[in-house]
Amino acid sequence: DVKVTQSSRYLVKRTGEKVFLECVQDMDHENMFWYRQDPGLGLRLIYFSYDVKMKEKGDIPEGYSVSREKKERFSLILESASTNQTSMYLCASSLEGDSNYGYTFGSGTRLTVV
Amino acid sequence: GENVEQHPSTLSVQEGDSAVIKCTYSDSASNYFPWYKQELGKRPQLIIDIRSNVGEKKDQRIAVTLNKTAKHFSLHITETQPEDSAVYFCAAEPVSGGYNKLIFGAGTRLAVHP
Repeated sequence: DVKVTQSSRYLVKRTGEKVFLECVQDMDHENMFWYRQDPGLGLRLIYFSYDVKMKEKGDIPEGYSVSREKKERFSLILESASTNQTSMYLCASSLEGDSNYGYTFGSGTRLTVV
Repeated sequence: GENVEQHPSTLSVQEGDSAVIKCTYSDSASNYFPWYKQELGKRPQLIIDIRSNVGEKKDQRIAVTLNKTAKHFSLHITETQPEDSAVYFCAAEPVSGGYNKLIFGAGTRLAVHP
């Protein structure tokens, strides 16, 4: 019944490493989003994509990039991981349309950068 | 851009009491306001939402009210139960930017004590 799948539940990476977080959805949704969740800060939008190969910056894109080569897959890339990128990363998807019907979230990836 | 503030950050109630969480938003053109519940270790899930053409919406023990003039909306939970304990996030969809992008509040940790 899982509809949005994040490939890793927990990750530990070293400072300076290039990190890939993967997200796959099976609902044929056009929109996909990456958020990071930090205590007291809620969910902050990093990047989103509304179509294959299309992407838009969110509120905190610095230090991140994304890739969407196929409709079902949206990858978040940390070009050179830093300790301040230690966080919970949540992927979400939604159906594009005039009305918003809310997001379906993945289970999250807890990333620790040491 | 849109900014969403959420209060309180923590809320502790006795089982059977009511709980109210309030959010304010800055973009008067925002038109969709969902609420998500995140239980410990789980993904956020949509519990109720309201659109800008409606003032109140109910679903069993939960309700959401919207005051467009004051730019605030609230989540009301009646007859709280221990299983209502979770972190609750409000969100708003700004008209600008499109693609169903949501801006989230910082979250409220609700604890319901038996």
